[in-house]
Amino acid sequence: DGGITQSPKYLFRKEGQNVTLSCEQNLNHDAMYWYRQDPGQGLRLIYYSQIVNDFQKGDIAEGYSVSREKKESFPLTVTSAQKNPTAFYLCASSPGGAKETQYFGPGTRLLVL
Amino acid sequence: GDSVTQMEGPVTLSEEACLTINCTYTATGYPSLFWYVQYPGEGLQLLLKATKADDKGSNKGFEATYRKETTSFHLEKGSVQVSDSAVYFCALTGTYKYIFGTGTRLKVLA
Repeated sequence: DGGITQSPKYLFRKEGQNVTLSCEQNLNHDAMYWYRQDPGQGLRLIYYSQIVNDFQKGDIAEGYSVSREKKESFPLTVTSAQKNPTAFYLCASSPGGAKETQYFGPGTRLLVL
Repeated sequence: GDSVTQMEGPVTLSEEACLTINCTYTATGYPSLFWYVQYPGEGLQLLLKATKADDKGSNKGFEATYRKETTSFHLEKGSVQVSDSAVYFCALTGTYKYIFGTGTRLKVLA
Protein backbone atom coordinates (compact mmCIF):
# COMPACT_ATOMS: atom_id res chain seq x y z
CA ASP A 1 0.00 0.00 0.00
CA GLY A 2 1.34 3.42 -0.94
CA GLY A 3 1.06 6.18 1.56
CA ILE A 4 2.59 8.49 4.11
CA THR A 5 3.54 7.37 7.58
CA GLN A 6 4.30 9.58 10.55
CA SER A 7 5.75 8.53 13.85
CA PRO A 8 5.28 8.60 16.70
CA LYS A 9 1.55 9.24 17.03
CA TYR A 10 2.16 11.06 20.35
CA LEU A 11 5.38 12.73 21.45
CA PHE A 12 6.27 14.36 24.73
CA ARG A 13 8.91 17.03 25.01
CA LYS A 14 10.64 18.30 28.10
CA GLU A 15 11.75 21.90 28.48
CA GLY A 16 14.95 22.61 26.55
CA GLN A 17 14.78 19.37 24.61
CA ASN A 18 14.93 18.91 20.85
CA VAL A 19 12.60 16.28 19.40
CA THR A 20 12.35 14.84 15.91
CA LEU A 21 9.17 13.86 14.10
CA SER A 22 9.43 11.27 11.37
CA CYS A 23 7.71 11.42 7.98
CA GLU A 24 8.15 8.74 5.31
CA GLN A 25 6.38 8.32 1.96
CA ASN A 26 6.47 5.53 -0.60
CA LEU A 27 4.48 7.37 -3.25
CA ASN A 28 7.61 8.41 -5.17
CA HIS A 29 6.60 12.04 -4.69
CA ASP A 30 9.13 14.80 -5.22
CA ALA A 31 7.62 17.39 -2.88
CA MET A 32 7.06 17.11 0.87
CA TYR A 33 5.60 19.52 3.40
CA TRP A 34 5.27 20.05 7.15
CA TYR A 35 2.26 21.81 8.63
CA ARG A 36 1.31 22.80 12.13
CA GLN A 37 -2.33 22.68 13.24
CA ASP A 38 -3.60 24.44 16.36
CA PRO A 39 -7.15 24.03 17.74
CA GLY A 40 -9.70 25.97 15.75
CA GLN A 41 -7.15 27.12 13.22
CA GLY A 42 -6.24 26.15 9.72
CA LEU A 43 -2.94 24.61 8.74
CA ARG A 44 0.20 26.70 8.74
CA LEU A 45 3.20 25.75 6.61
CA ILE A 46 6.46 25.21 8.50
CA TYR A 47 8.85 23.95 5.79
CA TYR A 48 8.61 22.43 2.36
CA SER A 49 10.92 20.60 0.02
CA GLN A 50 10.44 20.28 -3.72
CA ILE A 51 13.44 18.07 -4.34
CA VAL A 52 16.03 16.03 -2.47
CA ASN A 53 18.72 18.09 -0.71
CA ASP A 54 16.70 21.28 -0.98
CA PHE A 55 14.07 22.82 1.31
CA GLN A 56 12.50 26.20 1.93
CA LYS A 57 11.05 27.99 4.93
CA GLY A 58 7.31 28.33 5.14
CA ASP A 59 5.31 30.83 7.14
CA ILE A 60 6.33 29.73 10.66
CA ALA A 61 9.81 28.17 10.36
CA GLU A 62 11.33 29.74 13.49
CA GLY A 63 12.21 27.11 16.08
CA TYR A 64 12.06 24.24 13.57
CA SER A 65 14.56 22.53 11.30
CA VAL A 66 14.33 19.88 8.57
CA SER A 67 16.49 17.76 6.30
CA ARG A 68 15.81 16.03 2.99
CA GLU A 69 18.61 13.57 2.40
CA LYS A 70 16.36 10.94 0.80
CA LYS A 71 13.38 11.35 -1.48
CA GLU A 72 11.11 9.33 0.77
CA SER A 73 12.01 10.98 4.09
CA PHE A 74 11.49 14.49 5.49
CA PRO A 75 12.06 14.60 9.27
CA LEU A 76 11.14 17.67 11.30
CA THR A 77 13.05 18.70 14.41
CA VAL A 78 11.32 20.88 16.96
CA THR A 79 14.11 22.72 18.73
CA SER A 80 14.21 24.24 22.18
CA ALA A 81 13.90 27.63 20.48
CA GLN A 82 10.25 26.84 19.70
CA LYS A 83 8.58 28.18 22.82
CA ASN A 84 5.07 26.98 22.13
CA PRO A 85 5.45 23.59 20.43
CA THR A 86 2.22 21.95 21.61
CA ALA A 87 0.26 21.24 18.41
CA PHE A 88 -0.73 18.62 15.88
CA TYR A 89 1.91 18.22 13.17
CA LEU A 90 0.98 17.03 9.70
CA CYS A 91 3.27 15.89 6.94
CA ALA A 92 2.17 15.87 3.31
CA SER A 93 3.59 15.01 -0.08
CA SER A 94 2.71 15.74 -3.69
CA PRO A 95 4.04 14.64 -7.08
CA GLY A 96 5.68 18.00 -7.62
CA GLY A 97 4.19 21.20 -8.95
CA ALA A 98 2.40 23.79 -6.84
CA LYS A 99 -1.01 22.82 -8.26
CA GLU A 100 -0.65 19.13 -7.53
CA THR A 101 -2.84 17.38 -4.97
CA GLN A 102 -1.23 17.00 -1.56
CA TYR A 103 -1.64 13.77 0.39
CA PHE A 104 -1.42 13.81 4.16
CA GLY A 105 -0.07 11.51 6.82
CA PRO A 106 -1.99 10.66 10.02
CA GLY A 107 -0.21 13.31 12.11
CA THR A 108 1.86 13.50 15.30
CA ARG A 109 0.57 15.21 18.43
CA LEU A 110 3.35 16.94 20.36
CA LEU A 111 2.83 17.74 24.01
CA VAL A 112 5.10 19.54 26.43
CA LEU A 113 5.73 18.02 29.88
CA GLY B 1 -2.26 37.91 -1.03
CA ASP B 2 -4.19 34.74 -1.67
CA SER B 3 -6.73 33.75 0.95
CA VAL B 4 -9.60 31.37 1.71
CA THR B 5 -12.63 32.21 3.84
CA GLN B 6 -14.90 29.50 5.20
CA MET B 7 -18.12 29.83 7.11
CA GLU B 8 -17.79 29.65 10.86
CA GLY B 9 -18.80 26.46 12.57
CA PRO B 10 -19.85 24.36 14.18
CA VAL B 11 -22.65 23.28 11.88
CA THR B 12 -25.12 20.91 13.51
CA LEU B 13 -27.58 18.98 11.34
CA SER B 14 -29.95 16.09 11.70
CA GLU B 15 -29.31 12.96 9.68
CA GLU B 16 -30.61 13.22 6.09
CA ALA B 17 -30.56 17.03 6.14
CA CYS B 18 -28.98 19.03 3.32
CA LEU B 19 -25.53 20.48 3.81
CA THR B 20 -23.86 23.58 2.43
CA ILE B 21 -20.50 24.83 3.68
CA ASN B 22 -19.54 28.13 2.10
CA CYS B 23 -16.03 28.81 0.83
CA THR B 24 -14.88 31.93 -0.97
CA TYR B 25 -11.39 32.80 -2.10
CA THR B 26 -9.15 35.53 -3.38
CA ALA B 27 -6.31 34.58 -5.66
CA THR B 28 -4.17 35.79 -8.49
CA GLY B 29 -4.04 33.55 -11.50
CA TYR B 30 -6.01 30.34 -11.80
CA PRO B 31 -5.66 28.21 -8.68
CA SER B 32 -6.88 24.68 -8.19
CA LEU B 33 -9.46 24.32 -5.41
CA PHE B 34 -9.84 21.50 -2.90
CA TRP B 35 -12.00 20.23 -0.08
CA TYR B 36 -10.32 18.09 2.56
CA VAL B 37 -11.97 16.26 5.45
CA GLN B 38 -10.41 15.57 8.84
CA TYR B 39 -11.83 13.00 11.26
CA PRO B 40 -10.92 13.29 14.97
CA GLY B 41 -7.25 12.62 15.66
CA GLU B 42 -6.43 11.95 12.02
CA GLY B 43 -4.73 13.62 9.09
CA LEU B 44 -6.52 15.31 6.20
CA GLN B 45 -8.10 13.28 3.42
CA LEU B 46 -8.78 14.69 0.00
CA LEU B 47 -12.54 14.83 -0.52
CA LEU B 48 -12.75 16.46 -3.95
CA LYS B 49 -11.03 18.97 -6.17
CA ALA B 50 -11.55 21.19 -9.22
CA THR B 51 -8.79 22.56 -11.39
CA LYS B 52 -10.53 25.15 -13.58
CA ALA B 53 -13.57 27.38 -13.72
CA ASP B 54 -16.95 25.59 -13.97
CA ASP B 55 -15.41 22.25 -13.03
CA LYS B 56 -17.48 20.23 -10.57
CA GLY B 57 -15.69 17.97 -8.14
CA SER B 58 -17.64 15.14 -6.53
CA ASN B 59 -17.03 12.24 -4.18
CA LYS B 60 -19.09 10.20 -1.68
CA GLY B 61 -22.20 12.29 -2.37
CA PHE B 62 -20.38 15.59 -1.80
CA GLU B 63 -19.95 18.07 -4.62
CA ALA B 64 -18.56 21.55 -5.22
CA THR B 65 -18.39 23.75 -8.32
CA TYR B 66 -15.53 26.11 -9.13
CA ARG B 67 -17.26 29.47 -9.66
CA LYS B 68 -14.84 32.07 -10.91
CA GLU B 69 -17.45 34.82 -11.24
CA THR B 70 -18.31 34.60 -7.54
CA THR B 71 -14.89 33.28 -6.42
CA SER B 72 -16.60 30.49 -4.55
CA PHE B 73 -16.29 26.73 -4.06
CA HIS B 74 -19.18 25.79 -1.75
CA LEU B 75 -19.39 22.21 -0.50
CA GLU B 76 -22.81 20.54 -0.76
CA LYS B 77 -24.41 17.22 0.09
CA GLY B 78 -28.04 16.34 -0.32
CA SER B 79 -28.40 13.99 2.66
CA VAL B 80 -25.81 13.86 5.44
CA GLN B 81 -25.08 10.86 7.64
CA VAL B 82 -23.73 10.61 11.19
CA SER B 83 -20.49 9.31 9.67
CA ASP B 84 -20.00 12.66 7.89
CA SER B 85 -19.26 14.34 11.23
CA ALA B 86 -15.79 15.82 10.81
CA VAL B 87 -13.94 19.07 10.11
CA TYR B 88 -13.94 20.24 6.50
CA PHE B 89 -11.20 22.42 5.02
CA CYS B 90 -11.34 24.42 1.84
CA ALA B 91 -7.96 25.08 0.17
CA LEU B 92 -6.44 26.59 -2.92
CA THR B 93 -3.06 26.30 -4.57
CA GLY B 94 -0.97 29.44 -4.23
CA THR B 95 2.34 30.23 -5.87
CA TYR B 96 4.26 27.52 -4.05
CA LYS B 97 1.96 26.28 -1.34
CA TYR B 98 -1.61 25.56 -0.37
CA ILE B 99 -3.71 28.21 1.35
CA PHE B 100 -6.16 26.62 3.81
CA GLY B 101 -9.32 27.95 5.34
CA THR B 102 -9.76 27.67 9.10
CA GLY B 103 -12.01 24.64 8.82
CA THR B 104 -15.72 24.08 9.52
CA ARG B 105 -16.77 21.48 12.04
CA LEU B 106 -19.85 19.46 11.05
CA LYS B 107 -21.82 17.48 13.61
CA VAL B 108 -24.61 15.23 12.38
CA LEU B 109 -27.14 13.95 14.91
CA ALA B 110 -28.98 10.66 14.56
